[in-house]
Amino acid sequence: AQKITQTQPGMFVQEKEAVTLDCTYDTSDPSYGLFWYKQPSSGEMIFLIYQGSYDQQNATEGRYSLNFQKARKSANLVISASQLGDSAMYFCAMRERNFGNEKLTFGTGTRLTIIP
Amino acid sequence: DGGITQSPKYLFRKEGQNVTLSCEQNLNHDAMYWYRQDPGQGLRLIYYSQIVNDFQKGDIAEGYSVSREKKESFPLTVTSAQKNPTAFYLCASSIREATNEKLFFGSGTQLSVL
Repeated sequence: AQKITQTQPGMFVQEKEAVTLDCTYDTSDPSYGLFWYKQPSSGEMIFLIYQGSYDQQNATEGRYSLNFQKARKSANLVISASQLGDSAMYFCAMRERNFGNEKLTFGTGTRLTIIP
Repeated sequence: DGGITQSPKYLFRKEGQNVTLSCEQNLNHDAMYWYRQDPGQGLRLIYYSQIVNDFQKGDIAEGYSVSREKKESFPLTVTSAQKNPTAFYLCASSIREATNEKLFFGSGTQLSVL
């Protein structure tokens, strides 16, 4: 079974609109972390936001917020007021701890294109 | 400035040749990771290390080897046993703070086969 599932391979969104990128996860680790990264065409991976499994509130970082629904194992990224510079690949990732070792698993990504 | 340095940016491998990708960090992070990214796809974990002189296989370790002799360095060797090495390779390191975690990436190495 996939640990991290991103069901949207590509999305087109009008500039200034909000966009939601979906991410569901599967883990038996009670203490896990969820990340979102942006990868522009240059290839670098840019950290956007982090949510810990015990965090009571949804994480927010500027225009980025994480809609964390623990019971549904969902961690969607919401980008408000999208900009042309938001066009990139977006990856959801999960950190688990197995027998004292940490492991990070990434989803397959969503390619977001912002339309002027 | 602190960060992760990967070198070289571009690397070419001949048939049957081993090549080594460098990853150095000055962030004092304990954990380091190597990922492979194929065009249009996500990242797949090759190897990771939580501490010096210790490392574990990830999901696609076959044909690769690593070492962690120093905290700052986590080189990846792509051996001749890796039959399809052409990909973008990303190194990362992580730290866990009180209420936050951060994972930092290098700028990547593009490996191609001649």
